[in-house]
Amino acid sequence: NAGVMQNPRHLVRRRGQEARLRCSPMKGHSHVYWYRQLPEEGLKFMVYLQKENIIDESGMPKERFSAEFPKEGPSILRIQQVVRGDSAAYFCASSPETGVNEQFFGPGTRLTVL
Amino acid sequence: DAKTTQPPSMDCAEGRAANLPCNHSTISGNEYVYWYRQIHSQGPQYIIHGLKNNETNEMASLIITEDRKSSTLILPHATLRDTAVYYCIVTGWGKLQFGAGTQVVVTP
Repeated sequence: NAGVMQNPRHLVRRRGQEARLRCSPMKGHSHVYWYRQLPEEGLKFMVYLQKENIIDESGMPKERFSAEFPKEGPSILRIQQVVRGDSAAYFCASSPETGVNEQFFGPGTRLTVL
Repeated sequence: DAKTTQPPSMDCAEGRAANLPCNHSTISGNEYVYWYRQIHSQGPQYIIHGLKNNETNEMASLIITEDRKSSTLILPHATLRDTAVYYCIVTGWGKLQFGAGTQVVVTP
């Protein structure tokens, strides 16, 4: 059973461009979470999604950031008009429908904004 | 979710047990204690969780006090590969709120 997959692993964008980060959860997992880790800082929750639904987006910046988890395909975290402060590691996690909050994390996408 | 307090760092000799404390005095009745770790810049890794009974798995043991206001994660035989930041998180369901954690350095 493959783990959580994220791509790309490294992404370089210039200020003002768009960044799209993809996350394929583990097989059978219907819950996806996105977290961000700024340089030298801790992990911060961004958004929690179930298939086609956003359950909790309390950690998402109000502008430029959006997330989706369609019925088919990976979850996408989209950052429009990136700024230097968006440079960070973005981690995706998934969990099964068991009632236990055991989240399996992917390797992360390192976003660098020039 | 309840807040947790952990020491910022601790050292442990290879082969010895590492005991990582965590205070969570405001834990509520339906919240679990979870432990995760992050090795260098990798994605966090689930270790163990518990509600009120002590738990053990292949990675670690979790001791929760009777009043549930604190807990201890025990790595029974620390190896160099256990060097990581360890996070104690109290939560029910949904988002994980990571604090600063405890930086554990295992030395030869």
